[in-house]
Amino acid sequence: DAGVIQSPRHEVTEMGQEVTLRCKPISGHNSLFWYRQTMMRGLELLIYFNNNVPIDDSGMPEDRFSAKMPNASFSTLKIQPSEPRDSAVYFCASGRITGELFFGEGSRLTVL
Amino acid sequence: RKEVEQDPGPFNVPEGATVAFNCTYSNSASQSFFWYRQDCRKEPKLLMSVYSSGNEDGRFTAQLNRASQYISLLIRDSKLSDSATYLCVPKRSGATNKLIFGTGTLLAVQP
Repeated sequence: DAGVIQSPRHEVTEMGQEVTLRCKPISGHNSLFWYRQTMMRGLELLIYFNNNVPIDDSGMPEDRFSAKMPNASFSTLKIQPSEPRDSAVYFCASGRITGELFFGEGSRLTVL
Repeated sequence: RKEVEQDPGPFNVPEGATVAFNCTYSNSASQSFFWYRQDCRKEPKLLMSVYSSGNEDGRFTAQLNRASQYISLLIRDSKLSDSATYLCVPKRSGATNKLIFGTGTLLAVQP
């Protein structure tokens, strides 16, 4: 069975550029989460969706970040414009209401 | 107070040792709990779910203390391959499934 699929796995970009991260959740899962992980701050919840609807985006750092889930099999996290402090590993995870999450391999973002 | 708190470690233990670490949570409405394991430069993976007072899976035992609001993870007969960061996640009851991770505890098992 396919797990959570994220792309790109690695991205290096320059400050000011737009970054789009993509996620395909596990089929049948009704919740999708975006997390960001850095050494300093650990694993931070950015936003999560239930049944494609954003439920809590209080973790989104600022207006430069946006996330969408147009259907049950796809979500994007966009950063525009990107800044060096956005450099981190971004994880997408999907799960059911019971709470167990399954993570993708992450997208490692470096903003120069 | 942080929603989830864990001792970052590192816990350095010899092979074969028993090691335990705790996770404290602030929201008394938390009903279920999860332990995840994260290897260096990898994604977190579910290790154990706890829905009642505890759970046991082979060498791993999780115990919940609701009165003191903490959950512990005990690893017996440590293996080199147990070296990882262990993350704790409480889940509130009800429909919301907002899952906030602790910062994790780093375990290093020495040969």
